Amino acid sequence: EVQLVESGGGLVQPGGSLRLSCSASGFTLSSFAMYWVRQAPGKGLEYVSLITSNAVSTYYADSVKGRVTISRDNSKNMVYLQMSSLRAEDTAVYHCVRLGYSRNWAVQEDWYYYMDVWGKGTTVTVSS
Amino acid sequence: DIQMTQSPSSLSASVGDRVTITCRASQSISTYLNWYQQKPGRAPKLLIYAASSLQSGVPSRFSGSGSGTDFTLTINSLQPEDFATYYCQQSHSPSRTFGQGTKVEIK
Repeated sequence: EVQLVESGGGLVQPGGSLRLSCSASGFTLSSFAMYWVRQAPGKGLEYVSLITSNAVSTYYADSVKGRVTISRDNSKNMVYLQMSSLRAEDTAVYHCVRLGYSRNWAVQEDWYYYMDVWGKGTTVTVSS
Repeated sequence: DIQMTQSPSSLSASVGDRVTITCRASQSISTYLNWYQQKPGRAPKLLIYAASSLQSGVPSRFSGSGSGTDFTLTINSLQPEDFATYYCQQSHSPSRTFGQGTKVEIK
C-alpha cells in the first residue's frame, strides 16, 4: 500500500523549533518530488515547501522562507521539515504529500503534476 | 505567485442535484489545474488533474473542464458522500497555489 506517515508535531513555544518527519512506503521515493502542505485550523490548504526527487532543488513559501528547511533521505524513505523561529501563525496540521506526474502528450517534453498521495498529517501548535 | 479564486465559497444542495464550482486563475495556466476533495478531519483526495482527467478510482459523476484562466468542477447527481470541501490548485508553477475552497453542504 502506498502510504505517507508524518510524525514530530507537538506543542512548542513561540521562537521554538521542531523537526517533522515523513516516512514513505509502498513506492520508490527517489522517483518523486515531495511537498509539505499545511492547513491552519478552519482554514484552507497552504503550500509550505517542495523538494525535488534528487534533492537538487528546494522551494519555500514566502511565509516560511528563512525559517524552514526541507530535506530528504531516499535511502531511508524519509522526508523532513526542520522548522525554527516558530510563530503562532505556524499552528496547523502539516501534511507530507507526493507529487505525482503524467505525460502531457500535447506538448513535447511536458508533464502534468498533481498531489496524489497525502499523509494524514501531524499537528503543530505554537503557543506559550 | 499565481492566485486562484473559487466561487462560490459555499453552497447548499440536495442529493441528486447537479453542482458546479468555478475556479479562476490570475494568469493563464493552460490546463495545469487540479481539483481535490476534503472531508472533515481527513487529508485531501485528488479528484481531477490536467483540468479534465479523472484520477483512478474517482466516480464518473465528477468532471472538470476549462483552460487558460477559467475552470469548472461539476458533480452530476450529488451523493451523500460528496458533501465536503473542494479545492482547485494550479500546477503551472512550483508553488502550486490552492483556491480558498468551496464547501458543499446539505440543503
